[in-house]
Amino acid sequence: DAKTTQPNSMESNEEEPVHLPCNHSTISGTDYIHWYRQLPSQGPEYVIHGLTSNVNNRMASLAIAEDRKSSTLILHRATLRDAAVYYCILRGTGGGADGLTFGKGTHLIIQP
Amino acid sequence: NAGVTQTPKFRILKIGQSMTLQCTQDMNHNYMYWYRQDPGMGLKLIYYSVGAGITDKGEVPNGYNVSRSTTEDFPLRLELAAPSQTSVYFCATFRVPEAFFGQGTRLTVV
Repeated sequence: DAKTTQPNSMESNEEEPVHLPCNHSTISGTDYIHWYRQLPSQGPEYVIHGLTSNVNNRMASLAIAEDRKSSTLILHRATLRDAAVYYCILRGTGGGADGLTFGKGTHLIIQP
Repeated sequence: NAGVTQTPKFRILKIGQSMTLQCTQDMNHNYMYWYRQDPGMGLKLIYYSVGAGITDKGEVPNGYNVSRSTTEDFPLRLELAAPSQTSVYFCATFRVPEAFFGQGTRLTVV
């Protein structure tokens, strides 16, 4: 899997938007961009994924750069419950048979 | 619908002891995985399975064994526990596009 680069940590205030960046300059044309998050003492959970177009779901939005070398996960109105480690992961079209490759992710701190 | 269930949640082992971490899923997913997570690090893949009777090594398989006799169960075996195996272990399933993780087993080897 291609490599991703994320900031080690970010801090935001409750009820404000949060933009979590991810660089993936070696992404291939068939790689999907996935985001997972891991709440304290829990397993990771799926947040969102996309290929080329921006995506929205009930948890977040994903903005993908036109050249696909970077993306941004957007939490529109952060709550204390959003404090977690966020992982940006590239997945090829092989169906995920050989698993997802996790980096260290971004530790998001939410201040009340 | 319980999803992915791991047992036990916590375990302390002595060096050289053996144990099996249990993982069961009720979603009928073919793909299953075992990961370990050391403090402050991301998850590393130990073993995976694409279906009953089929298993393969991941990034860090040494010291572990797995079996997959049914779609539901994917146990992870530690034969001779070592302090380096102190970690949190996560079992997961995958069905495009989403992976589903268990709550983890925190293992300490002393």
